[in-house]
Amino acid sequence: SQQGEEDPQALSIQEGENATMNCSYKTSINNLQWYRQNSGRGLVHLILIRSNEREKHSGRLRVTLDTSKKSSSLLITASRAADTASYFCATGIIQGAQKLVFGQGTRLTINP
Amino acid sequence: DAGITQSPRHKVTETGTPVTLRCHQTENHRYMYWYRQDPGHGLRLIHYSYGVKDTDKGEVSDGYSVSRSKTEDFLLTLESATSSQTSVYFCAISDSGSNEKLFFGSGTQLSVL
Repeated sequence: SQQGEEDPQALSIQEGENATMNCSYKTSINNLQWYRQNSGRGLVHLILIRSNEREKHSGRLRVTLDTSKKSSSLLITASRAADTASYFCATGIIQGAQKLVFGQGTRLTINP
Repeated sequence: DAGITQSPRHKVTETGTPVTLRCHQTENHRYMYWYRQDPGHGLRLIHYSYGVKDTDKGEVSDGYSVSRSKTEDFLLTLESATSSQTSVYFCAISDSGSNEKLFFGSGTQLSVL
């Protein structure tokens, strides 16, 4: 598996439901980030959680980090049609030089 | 998109021709990056810069070169384009380190025929 794998690859839910996406990684990290990408656009930073943090909130977003399991989850509550996008986790690692490694993303579709 | 302009937005070129993509920022951020995005691979780092004339290779740098002569401009050059370089290219910037929060441009869709 790659560093930063999202699960599921695609998720389709009804508007108003909660959406949960997961990210697993392999190497030690100093932070984990989530980004959103709308079709045909660049990525937009959503939230960053550091390795010494377990949970972080931003509006309708909740991110958890379990460094013992090398996994993170992104929860979007009360989903809206505008949340339809691809969501990427990115792990901040130190291997010689610091770098950010992106996963392949989860495609989220919110149905009205 | 956070004061980042990529040009061109779309380009079609032929195999073997040189191509230069430009990233221009108005944020005065120190770090600049070039990524490519391909189905099944997510985003992969091509090259990055940590200051004027300071650049380094990413994980997929073969066939690409970069230059940064001014803080605001980061150029990506494909010396001799190949079909495998057909991709969407994203520029990103950061002011706080190479694994911290990134701001992305809107991307350049490059097709090499």
